[in-house]
Amino acid sequence: QVQLVESGGGVVQPGRSLRLSCAVSGFTFSTYGMFWVRQTPGKGLEWVAVISSDGRNTYYADSVKGRFGISRDNSKNTLYLQMNSLKPEDTALYYCARGPRNMIVAVSHWFDPWGQGTLVTVSS
Amino acid sequence: QAVLTQPPSVSEAPGQRVIISCTGSSSNIGAGYDVQWYQQLPGTAPKLLIYGSNNRPSGVPDRFSGSTSGTSGSLAITGLQAEDEADYYCQSFDRSLNYVFGSGTRVTVL
Repeated sequence: QVQLVESGGGVVQPGRSLRLSCAVSGFTFSTYGMFWVRQTPGKGLEWVAVISSDGRNTYYADSVKGRFGISRDNSKNTLYLQMNSLKPEDTALYYCARGPRNMIVAVSHWFDPWGQGTLVTVSS
Repeated sequence: QAVLTQPPSVSEAPGQRVIISCTGSSSNIGAGYDVQWYQQLPGTAPKLLIYGSNNRPSGVPDRFSGSTSGTSGSLAITGLQAEDEADYYCQSFDRSLNYVFGSGTRVTVL
């Protein structure tokens, strides 16, 4: 069955970096666009980034643009989120989710399925 | 705050019907982009409930239905059951190439 498993979360000081991973199985990873979404108690769900099937095109929410980088290794069936210059407001549960099949550019689509999430806490 | 506006909470007795609204703007729902709905049970990840405004993934009961009109979308739950008690989020796409979510609605079964 389709599975997405996030890892790499933890407690980090403001200004530092962290890299999240999302290992997938049960579908042909290289043919799907992939998302990162985060959730905080105060702000609900927030889309973070999306990457095309081949990894060539990436899009980011304004809140993370210039600080976060989404990437993928289709040979390892793994999605990544490199988070730099972390701020306390980046504290959240980070989910990866599958996006459109054969995605080249950002298009209207849904998030399905989702992983179980990995918690990132930015605090001194 | 969230780009799409939802009521914070709705409550109804078992067997009744609830409707959750999702209000956007001319740059997202009003621009013709589909609305999706997700159900989040306590302590779990969101689960896709409705996609393409009114389509149900396999396994989702037909008690759940979606619709759109103008700059808003709606989720209806008929024959409300105790297991439907959860948080519900709408989601769409924006002309600025952002994926946008609603603020979330807590459904309580009385």
